[in-house]
Amino acid sequence: KAGVTQTPRYLIKTRGQQVTLSCSPISGHRSVSWYQQTPGQGLQFLFEYFSETQRNKGNFPGRFSGRQFSNSRSEMNVSTLELGDSALYLCASSLVGLAADTGELFFGEGSRLTVL
Amino acid sequence: AQSVTQLDSHVSVSEGTPVLLRCNYSSSYSPSLFWYVQHPNKGLQLLLKYTSAATLVKGINGFEAEFKKSETSFHLTKPSAHMSDAAEYFCVVSDLGGATNKLIFGTGTLLAVQP
Repeated sequence: KAGVTQTPRYLIKTRGQQVTLSCSPISGHRSVSWYQQTPGQGLQFLFEYFSETQRNKGNFPGRFSGRQFSNSRSEMNVSTLELGDSALYLCASSLVGLAADTGELFFGEGSRLTVL
Repeated sequence: AQSVTQLDSHVSVSEGTPVLLRCNYSSSYSPSLFWYVQHPNKGLQLLLKYTSAATLVKGINGFEAEFKKSETSFHLTKPSAHMSDAAEYFCVVSDLGGATNKLIFGTGTLLAVQP
């Protein structure tokens, strides 16, 4: 069974540009959540999508957006990039969405974004 | 509010010696707690989880953790470290269904294993 696939794995952008990252969840998983990981802030929750609907959102500015398609694949977009957006962006999928008694997420290897 | 504190940012052990990674939590109700591991340039992988069943939880790769309510701790242990255990470990508390409705990750503990 294929795991969570994130593309691209590495990318370099300049300030002001925008970027789109893609995540393909494990087959059958309907929930996709996104996290930003930086050395200073650790893992920060961006948002979660379930059946094409955003169910939860973290404390990030509106420049960060996402969507989920009918096949559960998800994309996140960051517009007007800033230096501080340099990070590892992790996508995680779960079977039926996050629940208090499971919390089990299956993570991809991440997309490492460098903003110059 | 739910929170976790990982007490050590770095831990170094010798191969074959025990591992102890410390985590304290704060929760207004009975929490669900997890340990995840992240190897270099990889995503996170669930090691084990506590969801109010047995207080001693066994996970993958010989790791286990004990939930101690009186100490509000959920420390991760392994009797004998292996070189392949070198990674970053995250303690996580669930606030799903709570105020933030998300998983809350600790700041991580980087485990180094010396030959």
